[in-house]
Amino acid sequence: AQSVSQHNHHVILSEAASLELGCNYSYGGTVNLFWYVQYPGQHLQLLLKYFSGDPLVKGIKGFEAEFIKSKFSFNLRKPSVQWSDTAEYFCAAGRGGRTGRRALTFGSGTRLQVQP
Amino acid sequence: EAQVTQNPRYLITVTGKKLTVTCSQNMNHEYMSWYRQDPGLGLRQIYYSMNVEVTDKGDVPEGYKVSRKEKRNFPLILESPSPNQTSLYFCASSSLQVRPYEQYFGPGTRLTVT
Repeated sequence: AQSVSQHNHHVILSEAASLELGCNYSYGGTVNLFWYVQYPGQHLQLLLKYFSGDPLVKGIKGFEAEFIKSKFSFNLRKPSVQWSDTAEYFCAAGRGGRTGRRALTFGSGTRLQVQP
Repeated sequence: EAQVTQNPRYLITVTGKKLTVTCSQNMNHEYMSWYRQDPGLGLRQIYYSMNVEVTDKGDVPEGYKVSRKEKRNFPLILESPSPNQTSLYFCASSSLQVRPYEQYFGPGTRLTVT
């Protein structure tokens, strides 16, 4: 069965520190990968997405992620976090085919707390 | 503005009292889906719909029903809610024309069943 693992459940950083959140997936075949962010009390917003091409993907708010096929990983990075990045981050994977239910399988989330 | 809307945003109800959570999107998306979010479990898919009158079960469909009579609307129905359905619910929609089928999420409905 498809699964997505996020290894860090709660991360606390100081402002200006660098961030890397791990995400591993288990899917066969073509896979689409996403990172979503959920600010406190808000809905999920897309940070970035990957389905083909350059494995280094740049998203909004200075975030980027690297798809490493051999490691089944799609880690999220940001060189310098800000207090406003405090949120919960979800990695998600979905099948890339034209058929099927296109469900996104989500990881359990990583709560990021940035201290001023 | 392109968006997915859900109503109500907050709901407290009692066991067994039927309720409906509405979901509507204005992007002409074919695909719509319901998820529930529980601490430590991420989001899990309840039901999805590939188009009007086409619905199917997700990973956790027990205790829920859906319908898709119009393209823009995808209501979630709890015929007899139970306390284990206390959760945060998200509706999402996606175009099936453009990869990677990015899903757009509604604001969420926080449901408490006592």
